[in-house]
Amino acid sequence: DVKVTQSSRYLVKRTGEKVFLECVQDMDHENMFWYRQDPGLGLRLIYFSYDVKMKEKGDIPEGYSVSREKKERFSLILESASTNQTSMYLCASRILRGGDIGAFFGQGTRLTVV
Amino acid sequence: DQQVKQNSPSLSVQEGRISILNCDYTNSMFDYFLWYKKYPAEGPTFLISISSIKDKNEDGRFTVFLNKSAKHLSLHIVPSQPGDSAVYFCAASGETSGSRLTFGEGTQLTVNP
Repeated sequence: DVKVTQSSRYLVKRTGEKVFLECVQDMDHENMFWYRQDPGLGLRLIYFSYDVKMKEKGDIPEGYSVSREKKERFSLILESASTNQTSMYLCASRILRGGDIGAFFGQGTRLTVV
Repeated sequence: DQQVKQNSPSLSVQEGRISILNCDYTNSMFDYFLWYKKYPAEGPTFLISISSIKDKNEDGRFTVFLNKSAKHLSLHIVPSQPGDSAVYFCAASGETSGSRLTFGEGTQLTVNP
């Protein structure tokens, strides 16, 4: 059974902290993504990676960085957390050319920055 | 620049009736369209998709229709069930965007018993 696992369901961090969100997939997918979900804005792409050590900026990369040292793991880093980064963060993976096979999502991490 | 739009933030229907969720897109290079369903505090789950070479795809109670000339797609759920109550996201991908999916804002569907 396909699985994308995010390391935390809920996190509370202080403004200015460095935050790591981890994601692991067991499907040997090339592509991995980080989205954030906010009410009325849908899912917005932060960063994605199509191979180990490769990364591409999404639509809202400011304030974030990513790391992909191994194929199965994709980490999102908030260099200095701010309150406007309070959100639901969703990791996803997909085969190289997914076509009608959609991306598979993790359960999400609800991050609150205080 | 919102390339995928879901103009209805919410929809309420009675159990047993049809639910119709709509989605519009602007990028003519999109060649696959997908619908996802999301419950609170869970990740989205893939529901159904359609290729741009088709105009309809059906899977059980779920049917997706694509009108390429209007750049519009819709998801029909018949009959609707209370367990269908969730947020539904429309997504699109295309050759020029590689594997990334572009999502709409979502529509909250509520099915009343």
